[in-house]
Order: sequence, then structure tokens, then C-alpha cells
Amino acid sequence: DSGVTQTPKHLITATGQRVTLRCSPRSGDLSVYWYQQSLDQGLQFLIQYYNGEERAKGNILERFSAQQFPDLHSELNLSSLELGDSALYFCASRGGLGNEQFFGPGTRLTVL
Amino acid sequence: QKEVEQDPGPLSVPEGAIVSLNCTYSNSAFQYFMWYRQYSRKGPELLMYTYSSGNKEDGRFTAQVDKSSKYISLFIRDSQPSDSATYLCAMVSGNFNKFYFGSGTKLNVKP
Repeated sequence: DSGVTQTPKHLITATGQRVTLRCSPRSGDLSVYWYQQSLDQGLQFLIQYYNGEERAKGNILERFSAQQFPDLHSELNLSSLELGDSALYFCASRGGLGNEQFFGPGTRLTVL
Repeated sequence: QKEVEQDPGPLSVPEGAIVSLNCTYSNSAFQYFMWYRQYSRKGPELLMYTYSSGNKEDGRFTAQVDKSSKYISLFIRDSQPSDSATYLCAMVSGNFNKFYFGSGTKLNVKP
């Protein structure tokens, strides 16, 4: 167990809908990273937050947005969902005593 | 050109074999190098973490970094069927803003 939690584990929704994925980092970690992993694809970096502020952006679509709250949990909002958005979404946290990045178990999103 | 290149495999070896997994990269700013293991669509698990060039050993795993060649390796000794997974290399510069991942190598260790 990495200490990073993500909810929900699975999400099934329809095209055009909006969903929110939640991530709680390890205790003491200030940084949260979001990744997308499609079937048989590598990890695609979406966005990073550090202590509530956006620090880096990757290949994140304009339909996607994220934020990190004062209690350091983070949410990834996906809107106007398309079939191609079906993927595993992982968050990872970093900080505290080390520089390593630890991943949560992921949220599996299925868009029908 | 991708920032990080990794052979996707699959790599199939008999139990007990020594496995060598490799990544190359193009960005000389990378300073920290990691290997993750991912079982069947689960969250990647951090295996090894190294800073700059050199070797690091942890049990059956050895991570090697050659910054002059922009090449990193993970060696697995006495491989076990439980090592069957996808192995991802990752690297980051000193600001830790963005981690770059290889596409992953799928390893199958046959009993």
C-alpha cells in the first residue's frame, strides 16, 4: 500500500457527461501528479500541483481540469466525455521526506 | 523524438534467468531515475530510485545509470514468475515538475 488513495475505483458513464476523480496524497506529501493510461499505452502526464498551486502541465485536454485543495487532496474533472477518454487515471504524490513519487491504485473510467 | 525510449517487449525468460531492462533518454537535465513495476493495470509500484550515475542494489534488483550515454538499466537476478509484470522507467530533472516515463517493457517469467 503506497499510502495514496483514489476514489472511485471504477466509473462507468456516458458520452457527454462530466465526472470527478479524487486523490488523497500520502501524509506529508505536498505534490500531486495526475496521469492517464489508455489500454496498452504508457503513462501520459496530465498535470502537477504543489501545495495548491499548478506547477506543470502535460498533454491535458481543455475539457479536463484539476485542482488541489487546502487539505492537499486533489480532484481531476473530466467533462464532455468522449469514448476515447476511457482509461485508467492515476494520481501520484511526492514530497515529505523524499523525492520519490508514489502512485495510487487508479480509477478505471469507462465511457459508453 | 520521445524524451524516453523503452523497448516494449514482450520479454519472455525462464525462471532463474537474469533479466536486463533498458531505457535511453535525450534530456541531459534528468538527474533522478526510477524503475516502477506495474501488475496488470494496477498502480505502478516504485522499485528503485537512483540519483545521477552509478549502481544501486536492492536484493535481486540492481539499477544502473550511465549519464554519459544517457542510458539506464534494471537487472533482475534469479527471476521469479512473480516478477512477471510491466516495468516502467522514469526520470525527472531537479525541479520535479514533470516525470517522464518510458512506455514500459512487459516481462514474462516462465516457471
